[in-house]
Amino acid sequence: QITLKESGPTLVKPTQTLTLTCTFSGFSLTYSGVGVGWIRQPPGKGLEYLAYIYGNDDKRYSPSLQSRLTINRDISKNQVVLTLTNTDPVDTATYYCAHSVFKSGWHFDYWGQGTPVTVSA
Amino acid sequence: DIQVTQSPSFLSASVGDRVTITCRASQDITNFLAWYQQKPGKAPKLLIYGASTLQSGVPSRFSGSGSGTVFTLTISSLQPEDFAVYYCQQLNGYPLFTFGPGTKVDIK
Repeated sequence: QITLKESGPTLVKPTQTLTLTCTFSGFSLTYSGVGVGWIRQPPGKGLEYLAYIYGNDDKRYSPSLQSRLTINRDISKNQVVLTLTNTDPVDTATYYCAHSVFKSGWHFDYWGQGTPVTVSA
Repeated sequence: DIQVTQSPSFLSASVGDRVTITCRASQDITNFLAWYQQKPGKAPKLLIYGASTLQSGVPSRFSGSGSGTVFTLTISSLQPEDFAVYYCQQLNGYPLFTFGPGTKVDIK
């Protein structure tokens, strides 16, 4: 059974770096056919793709946020970590991590419950 | 960059209605398109991938079609639990993923 759970601070101050952790179970992020992505959703708004890491450690980022985002994995802990630098109130959102395996595309078949983050002084 | 649009952005329907949502990509994405359902306070749920393949466990009243740049999600007979927001997602291009803006299906 595949599960994912996001964790991290609920409140950060503007300009601080936000670090979020996705702890997963039920799969291994060690082969190229599997990946984990981060997606966020501002209150009352739609879904926004942020970053993606493949099982071979290849990484992809949203073009609009690429300069501020870093995604890494810790195989020993079954974790994927996302960092977002220089935060702003517009980064206030629920942040989700999600699993995908290539099957007619890298769609997200399992999602975490999401973790809310507020950026405010 | 590939842009994704959805129409309508909002629709009001009754239980038992047939509902169709359209998703358009700005470039040919073959069949690399997924549909998700999201209810308030919950994570999105995968409904369809590969434009037309029903995810395991999803009721057969949901169906997807299309290829290239135009895709549709159809609910053949709307049920009370189907009132939600629906998103399409392109999976074939740069950036790697793009979500549509969503379609809210509300009770008439």
